[in-house]
Amino acid sequence: QSVLTQPPSVSAAPGQKVTISCSGSSSNVGNNYVSWYQQLPGAAPKVLIYDNNNRPSGIPDRFSGSKSGTSATLGITGLQTGDEGDYYCGTWDTSLSAWVFGGGTKLTVL
Amino acid sequence: QVQLQESGPGLVEPSETLSLTCTVSGGSIKSFSYSWIRQPPGKGLEWIGNFSFSENTNYTPSLKSRVTMLVDTSKNQFSLKVTSVTPADTAVYYCARDLGGNWFDSWGQGILVTVSS
Repeated sequence: QSVLTQPPSVSAAPGQKVTISCSGSSSNVGNNYVSWYQQLPGAAPKVLIYDNNNRPSGIPDRFSGSKSGTSATLGITGLQTGDEGDYYCGTWDTSLSAWVFGGGTKLTVL
Repeated sequence: QVQLQESGPGLVEPSETLSLTCTVSGGSIKSFSYSWIRQPPGKGLEWIGNFSFSENTNYTPSLKSRVTMLVDTSKNQFSLKVTSVTPADTAVYYCARDLGGNWFDSWGQGILVTVSS
C-alpha cells in the first residue's frame, strides 16, 4: 500500500491528452515539492517534472505538472506510442522522514 | 553530465548481506545528496535511504534496522548494505542523485539482485 495514491492505469489514443493524479496528505504532497518520473519498459526512471511544475532541460512541453492542496497532477498532451510506460509521483514525507512514491500508473496509448 | 553506475553481486543467499556500490562520474560526490531506490520485479519504486555531506543519513522506516549507507570520497563511490536478506529483497536496485531532497535528476541503469539459495 503506497503512501501516495495513483490510478493503476490510464489510456488514450495517439494525439490525445491524458492526466494522472497523485493523492497524498499534508505530511507529503500538501507541504513538499512533487516530482514525476517516467519509466519506459526495461529502462531506469527519468524525471519529467520537478518542484510541482518545472520541466528539466530536454523534457518537451507536452509534459506538465500542477499541484493543489494534497493532490498533484501530471498532464501529457499530444500522446505518442513512445510515451507508453509507467509513471510515478514522488515527494518527501515529513512525518516519516522518508521519500515516498506513488504506486505507479501504466499509460497505454491505444 | 553526471553518470551513476551500480555494481555488485547479482545473487545473494537468504540471511546473508546484500552489498552494492554506486560509482559517480562527471562530478564530485561531495556536492550533492544521493539515494538508493529499489523496484521488485513487476512492482513499483521503493526509496531505501539517502545521505548528504551536510545533513543526516535517512532510511525508510521499514528497512532502517537492516540498512547501512556509506561513502568513499576518494573513489567517488557510495555503498549500500542490507543485512539478513530474504526473497522479498529481490529487486532492481538503483542509485540516484538527489537534488535538495526534492527530486532525482540522474539515475543509474539499475542492477538486479536476486535473493535465492
